Amino acid sequence: DARVTQTPRHKVTEMGQEVTMRCQPILGHNTVFWYRQTMMQGLELLAYFRNRAPLDDSGMPKDRFSAEMPDATLATLKIQPSEPRDSAVYFCASRDGEQPQHFGDGTRLSIL
Amino acid sequence: AQSVTQPDIHITVSEGASLELRCNYSYGATPYLFWYVQSPGQGLQLLLKYFSGDTLVQGIKGFEAEFKRSQSSFNLRKPSVHWSDAAEYFCAVGRRPGYALNFGKGTSLLVTP
Repeated sequence: DARVTQTPRHKVTEMGQEVTMRCQPILGHNTVFWYRQTMMQGLELLAYFRNRAPLDDSGMPKDRFSAEMPDATLATLKIQPSEPRDSAVYFCASRDGEQPQHFGDGTRLSIL
Repeated sequence: AQSVTQPDIHITVSEGASLELRCNYSYGATPYLFWYVQSPGQGLQLLLKYFSGDTLVQGIKGFEAEFKRSQSSFNLRKPSVHWSDAAEYFCAVGRRPGYALNFGKGTSLLVTP
């Protein structure tokens, strides 16, 4: 089965450090989503892209977060500088057309 | 704006018993509704979806859900729960099939022997 691949699966770093999370969407999927999951807020949409162009990043703190799609096979989410409140599980999802989203297994981020 | 409410944070059922997980949504137009399941350390897996047509939809793993417009609900059901069904269940709504989703806070299902 085709899968969304996220790396790394786990990341522990100190506050102030840059964090980069990567996502390889399913081949052929033209829309990529980034979500953040925390106990308090649940699943929140951070940003999403269609055909590599950002469509909505209103859920993302602009001062420290950035999301890009350098090419159709790679999406990145960066945090600089990181803060303890950024600790969460970050999910990437992709879809083709109007089909449902397929999720990766997430990156579990801990900022000390 | 769309929103989703899952009233039950935790539910415990005995193996073999029936299950119903509640989901209520708030959206002015025709909603596109989904149920996802998340096992520990895993991503979300789609159980079923409702876009239009028959209001009773069948999904994977023996799950079904019924869309009731008058009650703004999309409850998930299973006639007989298996221990492997223990997981977190999320209801989600989108304003169009391929758009971003609003998720409920989830219901954690515990299955006892």
